[in-house]
Amino acid sequence: EIVMTQSPATLSVSPGERATLSCRASQSINSDLAWYQQKPGQAPRLLIYGASTRATGAPARFSGSGSGTEFTLTISILQPEDFAVYYCQQFNDWPLTFGQGTNLEIK
Amino acid sequence: EVQLVESGGGLVKPGGSLRLSCAASGFTFSSYSMNWVRQAPGKGLEWVSSISSSGTSMYYADSVKGRFTISRDNAKNSLYLQMNSLRAEDTAVYHCARSKSSWKYDCWGQGSLVTVSS
Repeated sequence: EIVMTQSPATLSVSPGERATLSCRASQSINSDLAWYQQKPGQAPRLLIYGASTRATGAPARFSGSGSGTEFTLTISILQPEDFAVYYCQQFNDWPLTFGQGTNLEIK
Repeated sequence: EVQLVESGGGLVKPGGSLRLSCAASGFTFSSYSMNWVRQAPGKGLEWVSSISSSGTSMYYADSVKGRFTISRDNAKNSLYLQMNSLRAEDTAVYHCARSKSSWKYDCWGQGSLVTVSS
C-alpha cells in the first residue's frame, strides 16, 4: 500500500499571505496525485489533479507541483474562504490512498 | 447540474446489513467510473470501493473486502453499496464520487451517515 504523508498537520496563516502544503508518497506515483479541499459539513472538492492541473472552477491562486514522491499545494494569496482541510490522494495504484489532511487555519 | 445524492444510511447493530444508494443526475452516468469514499466522525477520508463504468471491474479496500459489494445500474443512473457484517469501525459518512479517465474524484455527493452501534 502506498502511504501518503501530509505536512504540517495544522498550518496557521494570515489572510493575504501564501500557504504551502506538502504531501509525500512512500513510493513513486509519477504525477498521479490529486488535492481536495473540504470545509466543515461539506463534501470534498477537487482542486488539483495530475499533480499540477487545476480542476474546473478551482481559482488560479491554487497551484500544484511535484512528481515522483514529493508534492506541494500552494495557495498564493489566502482568501477567507480558503481556510479548510486539504487532502492529497494518489491514484497510481490500488488501494487508492489519501493523506491524513492538513488543517489550514486563520492565524 | 451534476448531482450525486446518497441515501440508505442509518443506525444498525454490529453484524447487521445496510444498502446504500447513490442517485446520479446531470451527466452521462454510464460513461463514468464510480466510487465510495467514507469519513469516520472527526477523521480523514478513506477509499472504500470503486467500479468501472460498465460495472465489469470492481475494487475494494482490504478493510471491507468480503463484506461489502459495490454495484451499479446504468439504466437507473444509480450506484449501490451492499454492506454486510457491519462493525463499529464502519461508522462513517459514506460519499459516492465519480471518476473519469483516472481514479480521481471530480464530483462528490454530500454523503449518507452509517452508524454501527448496539
